[in-house]
Amino acid sequence: NAGVTQTPKFRVLKTGQSMTLLCAQDMNHEYMYWYRQDPGMGLRLIHYSVGEGTTAKGEVPDGYNVSRLKKQNFLLGLESAAPSQTSVYFCASTQQGAPGQPQHFGDGTRLSIL
Amino acid sequence: AQSVTQPDIHITVSEGASLELRCNYSYGATPYLFWYVQSPGQGLQLLLKYFSGDTLVQGIKGFEAEFKRSQSSFNLRKPSVHWSDAAEYFCAVVPGTGNQFYFGTGTSLTVIP
Repeated sequence: NAGVTQTPKFRVLKTGQSMTLLCAQDMNHEYMYWYRQDPGMGLRLIHYSVGEGTTAKGEVPDGYNVSRLKKQNFLLGLESAAPSQTSVYFCASTQQGAPGQPQHFGDGTRLSIL
Repeated sequence: AQSVTQPDIHITVSEGASLELRCNYSYGATPYLFWYVQSPGQGLQLLLKYFSGDTLVQGIKGFEAEFKRSQSSFNLRKPSVHWSDAAEYFCAVVPGTGNQFYFGTGTSLTVIP
C-alpha cells in the first residue's frame, strides 16, 4: 500500500518554464490537497479538491492551477514559474465523512526556480 | 482571525529529558486537533488527534497531548525524549465544520546526547 505518492521528488526550473506535479493516492480518498512549505511559515494550502472533477482555492492559489480528472490523482501546475515559487510542495489526502479526518501526506516535491 | 500558534520555533533538549511543545489556537468552537511530525526530507506523519471525550490523548512513539479548552491549547508531551525524536513538529486544527486544515509554523526539536 503506497499511500500518497508524489512525482517528481526534485526539480529545477528556469523562470518562465512550466511544469506539472503529480499526486496519486491509492486509499480511495475523496479529498485531496496541495500545500507549500516554506521556512518559518509552516504549511500553506494552495488548492484542494473534495471530489473528482472539483477544485477550490486555498490560502495561496495565485500562480498555480490544479486538476482532478481522476479520483486518485491531483495535479498541480505552474504555468510560468517564478523564483517565489521555490518551495517544497506536499500533497495530502483524506477520507470523506465526518469532519476532522486526518490527512495522509506524500514525501514532498522539492522545487527550485532559478 | 483564525490562527494556530506554536510559540517555540526551536527547542533543544537532552536525551532522556521530558518534552513539552506548545500549541494554541483561536477558533470559536472546539476544533479537531492534531499533531504531526516531519523528519528531514519526509512528509508529515500523524502522531495523535483529538476529536472529543478524554482530554488527554495518547499517540504513537510515546507521545501524548492534552486539550485544555480554557486555555485554547493542545500541548504535546513526552516523558523521556530519544535521539530519534529530533524532527519538526506541527500542530494542526480543523474548525468544527469542514475539512480544511490550518497548520502552525512548526517547532524544530534538537536532541543532544
